[in-house]
Amino acid sequence: GESVGLHLPTLSVQEGDNSIINCAYSNSASDYFIWYKQESGKGPQFIIDIRSNMDKRQGQRVTVLLNKTVKHLSLQIAATQPGDSAVYFCAETDFTGNQFYFGTGTSLTVIP
Amino acid sequence: GAGVSQSPRYKVAKRGQDVALRCDPISGHVSLFWYQQALGQGPEFLTYFQNEAQLDKSGLPSDRFFAERPEGSVSTLKIQRTQQEDSAVYLCASSLGVGSLNGYTFGSGTRLTVV
Repeated sequence: GESVGLHLPTLSVQEGDNSIINCAYSNSASDYFIWYKQESGKGPQFIIDIRSNMDKRQGQRVTVLLNKTVKHLSLQIAATQPGDSAVYFCAETDFTGNQFYFGTGTSLTVIP
Repeated sequence: GAGVSQSPRYKVAKRGQDVALRCDPISGHVSLFWYQQALGQGPEFLTYFQNEAQLDKSGLPSDRFFAERPEGSVSTLKIQRTQQEDSAVYLCASSLGVGSLNGYTFGSGTRLTVV
């Protein structure tokens, strides 16, 4: 089966610093990737997505980078804020989009 | 409502008891998905509906798990003869189109604890 994993289970950053969360995936057929944010007691919330024909996509304060050669995905959060504290998951799917495969998650803690 | 609604938010079941978890997707959403999230883990796919048709149930862990969506809107996930390993958060998600390439909208989940 597919394997999606994260390099670091926890990450602590100072407020205002940039955060980088990494993710490795194993299925070269994956076509679409999403980063989710999950706060305690809530469902995952969509942050940003990227298709396999792209290597970079920017949103508001967030950037996703995709390196298909080494099957690596990263999420960069600029000027991290206390409200960014949560668990972040990467997820992948093939072109059907019928199911996502999630990694274990990285817990981000922002220190005021 | 504006989001995906799940009920109950919390459920404590005695081992061997049957439970039913409800999901109200966003109105008009064609696709509906169930996921199981164990503590400290990412969600794992259980099953997928397109309208009332269950197109993929490959993630259901055993024949004790059953899902339905009879009218293509509300869905129920039923677990029979619950066991301790069934303790998890059960997430429901829906999307407007076929599959999920526009991104899911998740509900807040039902936390099931089997004692």
